[in-house]
Amino acid sequence: DARVTQTPRHKVTEMGQEVTMRCQPILGHNTVFWYRQTMMQGLELLAYFRNRAPLDDSGMPKDRFSAEMPDATLATLKIQPSEPRDSAVYFCASGLVEKSEQFFGPGTRLTVL
Amino acid sequence: TQLLEQSPQFLSIQEGENLTVYCNSSSVFSSLQWYRQEPGEGPVLLVTVVTGGEVKKLKRLTFQFGDARKDSSLHITAAQTGDTGLYLCAGAPDAGGTSYGKLTFGQGTILTVHP
Repeated sequence: DARVTQTPRHKVTEMGQEVTMRCQPILGHNTVFWYRQTMMQGLELLAYFRNRAPLDDSGMPKDRFSAEMPDATLATLKIQPSEPRDSAVYFCASGLVEKSEQFFGPGTRLTVL
Repeated sequence: TQLLEQSPQFLSIQEGENLTVYCNSSSVFSSLQWYRQEPGEGPVLLVTVVTGGEVKKLKRLTFQFGDARKDSSLHITAAQTGDTGLYLCAGAPDAGGTSYGKLTFGQGTILTVHP
């Protein structure tokens, strides 16, 4: 049963610390997405990769956020320095570009104190 | 920018009642998807509709794609407590360009079904 995995599931950190979230997409998928979900804003797209190339990161605060895909089995989202307003659930999703359907991981719940 | 508006935002009903959730846009989508999200988990794909006017049924859930491919609805018959969750619609743009493969998500409908 192929699934998207994310680590860690929960992260509590202090303001100013670096946070790294990791995602393993489903093998064979050629798109990877990072989303942030809050009650106020809903599901926001932060970054979009197609065949490991970053195509869209317009939703990401560039001064503190960065997203990479060092290889096909790993996507990372980093926040440095973290701020309390970054507290949210961060989801990774993967899919096939020709089908548009996305398969979500269980999310990382981030709390920045 | 393509936008999807979902209504209602919140829905609280008793078990056994019927309900409909709407997803509307002024943009045309090549396909539209519905996801359900339960607390502490990621959204899970329920269905994809691709043809204008298409109707798909998944047990007690009926999904319809508008003729013009700009809107969709989700109807649940005889709701059960297990239907409780956040329902999200998402539209896919036409093929080509950097948006290909991305989805535009609605804000979601929080459904609570009381026993």
